Amino acid sequence: EIVMTQSPATLSVSPGERATLSCRASQSVSSNLAWYQQKPGQAPRLLIYGASTRATGIPARFSGSGSGTEFTLTISSLQSEDFAVYYCQQYNNWPPTFGGGTKVEIK
Amino acid sequence: QLQLQESGPGLVKPSETLSLTCTVSGGSISSSSYYWGWIRQPPGKGLEWIGSIYYSGSTYYNPSLKSRVTISVDTSKNQFSLKLSSVTAADTAVYYCAVRISLRWFDPWGQGTLVTVSS
Repeated sequence: EIVMTQSPATLSVSPGERATLSCRASQSVSSNLAWYQQKPGQAPRLLIYGASTRATGIPARFSGSGSGTEFTLTISSLQSEDFAVYYCQQYNNWPPTFGGGTKVEIK
Repeated sequence: QLQLQESGPGLVKPSETLSLTCTVSGGSISSSSYYWGWIRQPPGKGLEWIGSIYYSGSTYYNPSLKSRVTISVDTSKNQFSLKLSSVTAADTAVYYCAVRISLRWFDPWGQGTLVTVSS
């Protein structure tokens, strides 16, 4: 199975700053990658699919890029509601697999 | 829009079978557009896909759990279910049901239900 590795494990950012999160696949997943946001006590919420397409209702400050094995989620200007854990998921190969997550915390 | 709600016991004894049901509202479980999935998250840890099912009954299981997992669908009740046998403490987790779009990403998710395996 494909192993998804996210870095860093924790990212400390001040409100209004840019956050850049990385996700690496152990082999190519083309553009078949999704990003999710999870807040404490809540279910994950889809942010991005197809590596770069925002899901319905997701603000434009969230953007995804990359293909193959290297992917990036960028939050252009962090709002208070963006402090959460972010997961990537590949769906190019079976079984679908998730990264270990990056926690974005207030600096 | 689609909404999902998990239900089932919050406490299961070791070696017994965990059983959960996901009730779908806002749409039909028989839609050809969707697959239906289960994902779990041990406390403080990451996400693990358990398996998915199509309304026709076709199933897809994670190889790591395949020998213990059964997912079924009841179209008359707009529900699908998870059974995980021979549970141990390692199966303690929040269990989520979710819509799997064309066997790709998951959206939306149910709120999740915590299942603890303990005697």
